[in-house]
Amino acid sequence: DAGVIQSPRHEVTEMGQEVTLRCKLISGHNSLFWYRQTMMRGLELLIYFNNNVPIDDSGMPEDRFSAKMPNASFSTLKIQPSEPRDSAVYFCASSQLTGSFLDTQYFGPGTRLTVL
Amino acid sequence: SQQGEEDPQALSIQEGENATMNCSYKTSINNLQWYRQNSGRGLVHLILIRSNEREKHSGRLRVTLDTSKKSSSLLITASRAADTASYFCATDATGYSTLTFGKGTMLLVSP
Repeated sequence: DAGVIQSPRHEVTEMGQEVTLRCKLISGHNSLFWYRQTMMRGLELLIYFNNNVPIDDSGMPEDRFSAKMPNASFSTLKIQPSEPRDSAVYFCASSQLTGSFLDTQYFGPGTRLTVL
Repeated sequence: SQQGEEDPQALSIQEGENATMNCSYKTSINNLQWYRQNSGRGLVHLILIRSNEREKHSGRLRVTLDTSKKSSSLLITASRAADTASYFCATDATGYSTLTFGKGTMLLVSP
């Protein structure tokens, strides 16, 4: 298995532009997590899907952020309009939720977003 | 708020020495996991310890868990330059299906 795949790896855009980040889960996993990592705030959970359904989006900063999971293996995180404070590394991770115990999370390589 | 907090924030040692990192958390957990992140890369899972376990080994890694003190430690024995990375603990709090990560310990192993 190729692991979690994220694209693009790097994105540089100007303030106000729409940004779409993409993630492909590991086959057979049923949970997907989007994280944002910055020096100041560390690793923050943005949203969590289980079986394609958003379970917890309390970490999504504001309405400019939206995430979808159109099928069991793919997800997008969209920022519209983007702002300089959105600059960060965005990771997605997939996992297999068994009962109430969360198994190991497998992280993608991340997308480094710079908003000018 | 952060569930897990690592200590120290940064650690610098020589190759061959042991490195110990600690993690404290606030609420009851199902399990605690340790991850490693090399510069510019995603996090990689190292080891998972369940709340009913006290110690676990994996190669040069040794993890302990003290639920009464709500703390865990990660010991890397005979460290190598390749162990240079940030190390994070993550907790799967009881009643939640998500992991909460600490801010990490940055380990530098000098040759």
